[in-house]
Amino acid sequence: QKEVEQDPGPLSVPEGAIVSLNCTYSNSAFQYFMWYRQYSRKGPELLMYTYSSGNKEDGRFTAQVDKSSKYISLFIRDSQPSDSATYLCAMSGRGAQKLVFGQGTRLTINP
Amino acid sequence: SQTIHQWPATLVQPVGSPLSLECTVEGTSNPNLYWYRQAAGRGLQLLFYSVGIGQISSEVPQNLSASRPQDRQFILSSKKLLLSDSGFYLCAWRLAGGGETQYFGPGTRLLVL
Repeated sequence: QKEVEQDPGPLSVPEGAIVSLNCTYSNSAFQYFMWYRQYSRKGPELLMYTYSSGNKEDGRFTAQVDKSSKYISLFIRDSQPSDSATYLCAMSGRGAQKLVFGQGTRLTINP
Repeated sequence: SQTIHQWPATLVQPVGSPLSLECTVEGTSNPNLYWYRQAAGRGLQLLFYSVGIGQISSEVPQNLSASRPQDRQFILSSKKLLLSDSGFYLCAWRLAGGGETQYFGPGTRLLVL
């Protein structure tokens, strides 16, 4: 079993829809949770960073962490074609030198 | 602000040729540095990471090596490339001693023929 599981998709939704992206994990020591967005042929860029449980909102993006269920989510409201990209979740424990990444979900927003 | 550079952006090399990819970081001191490979449609595979000059940790034994000759310079090398070395190579940095977030460079696309 992988430490982090993420459905690779692809996921295709119409413009304006609410998108939900998810990752599950098995290591209860994980405390730091990140979402990266990667456009085709580009390096991943940090989108959201959350420590421990709870929600964090930034514009149209909301990151949610449920440590009791070992489940994290990224919600995109009013999705735009420019949101079409691969979204990677990543996480680590305190003091860890490395991040553990999900496989990434490829998302397409159709105009 | 911090900036990370990678070059070249694209590289086409014959099988058996050597490889040298370079990554440099500006605007920070003593960062942790990372090399990843991403195969088409796949996730990120950590290859090497470094917490200081001359300190290299290898994650996956393979045809590649890494070196860190200066504080903000990280080099990925191979003596003889294999077809399976093709992929998208990403360098990343992280603040040492705090902060778990990694920041990625633009990547190098390597095609071995």
